[in-house]
Amino acid sequence: AQKITQTQPGMFVQEKEAVTLDCTYDTSDPSYGLFWYKQPSSGEMIFLIYQGSYDQQNATEGRYSLNFQKARKSANLVISASQLGDSAMYFCAMREDQTDSWGKLQFGAGTQVVVTP
Amino acid sequence: KAGVTQTPRYLIKTRGQQVTLSCSPISGHRSVSWYQQTPGQGLQFLFEYFSETQRNKGNFPGRFSGRQFSNSRSEMNVSTLELGDSALYLCASSLGGHQPQHFGDGTRLSIL
Repeated sequence: AQKITQTQPGMFVQEKEAVTLDCTYDTSDPSYGLFWYKQPSSGEMIFLIYQGSYDQQNATEGRYSLNFQKARKSANLVISASQLGDSAMYFCAMREDQTDSWGKLQFGAGTQVVVTP
Repeated sequence: KAGVTQTPRYLIKTRGQQVTLSCSPISGHRSVSWYQQTPGQGLQFLFEYFSETQRNKGNFPGRFSGRQFSNSRSEMNVSTLELGDSALYLCASSLGGHQPQHFGDGTRLSIL
């Protein structure tokens, strides 16, 4: 069964606008971590932001914020003031904290974001 | 601080051959994970090593193997290559626990 679902295959966003990328997850593990990564066309995966399941506040990192709704099992990424350099594929990933799973990330299918001038 | 280094960046092999990919983690990181990325299957977890021990393995055939050395550098090996093994292979390292994984630029493997 798919553990991470990203329902938006692609989207266009205008420069300087905010964009929300959807991510829902499925786990029965009470302790888990949620991550967002950015992959430009060059291929490298760039870590953006992390949210732990027990974190009380939504994570923020510069222009990135994570809208964490635990009851809905939702972890949407918000990018404020989009820039042309934000054009990339964005992946949501989950790590379940059961024993020996710390090193295993499960990824969604990704959302391709294109920022237009 | 140097990032995760993967070598080689590109590799072309033929069916039936074997290949070894290398990953040098960020200094101080003891956890190294490997992923395969293909257009059809997306990103899939291969295995993870921590302190020279394989802690977790994904759902891949035994042709895929790996190891980690005492300096935390890791290698993965694929034997008897098949066309479907063509992919971007990504290595990631972390301090372990709840720390995020940081990825290398990947090795793009093409099988002819």
